[in-house]
Amino acid sequence: SAVISQKPSRDICQRGTSLTIQCQVDSQVTMMFWYRQQPGQSLTLIATANQGSEATYESGFVIDKFPISRPNLTFSTLTVSNMSPEDSSIYLCSVTQSREKLFFGSGTQLSVL
Amino acid sequence: DQQVKQNSPSLSVQEGRISILNCDYTNSMFDYFLWYKKYPAEGPTFLISISSIKDKNEDGRFTVFLNKSAKHLSLHIVPSQPGDSAVYFCAASSYQGGKLIFGQGTELSVKP
Repeated sequence: SAVISQKPSRDICQRGTSLTIQCQVDSQVTMMFWYRQQPGQSLTLIATANQGSEATYESGFVIDKFPISRPNLTFSTLTVSNMSPEDSSIYLCSVTQSREKLFFGSGTQLSVL
Repeated sequence: DQQVKQNSPSLSVQEGRISILNCDYTNSMFDYFLWYKKYPAEGPTFLISISSIKDKNEDGRFTVFLNKSAKHLSLHIVPSQPGDSAVYFCAASSYQGGKLIFGQGTELSVKP
């Protein structure tokens, strides 16, 4: 199983600022995924980060709001830009070992004031 | 449109008894189903899965049942232990679509 380190684990941010979340995996993986869990809601896929190409965003998510970097096969970052209180969520990175069997990082609890 | 639904946000069970967590789905193209468990301040961890060609899969104290005609799956935990207290997410995917669709989660509390 993959070991995923995600940081920060939590942050409190001011409206209008941006936060970059880092995700480090202990092995090389082709695809990394970024999820969001809003309070009381399900885990929602934001985008798939592919090394060497642009991220693929799901409906309702755009690159300007959630820019993603994937410089190599073990690392990715997700930036939450121009934050508003509605962005308060848990953000999770994940990788897959076999079909849909995802391994998740410990998550970033973001609160926007 | 919520394709995967967990209608019970919480469940409380006595230690040693059976816990039954339910999940319904609407997309008939889903052919692979998974359960994840999440403790506070941790990411979800994979628990058990089932393919649509089966109606039951068992792993120790955990059994998942799939009723395709009813588009319903359930997770049984027997016997329940206090360490099972967590949020449980069901998830589904279709071979064609690939990505996982998660339910809203059910918070299980197992009381000693």
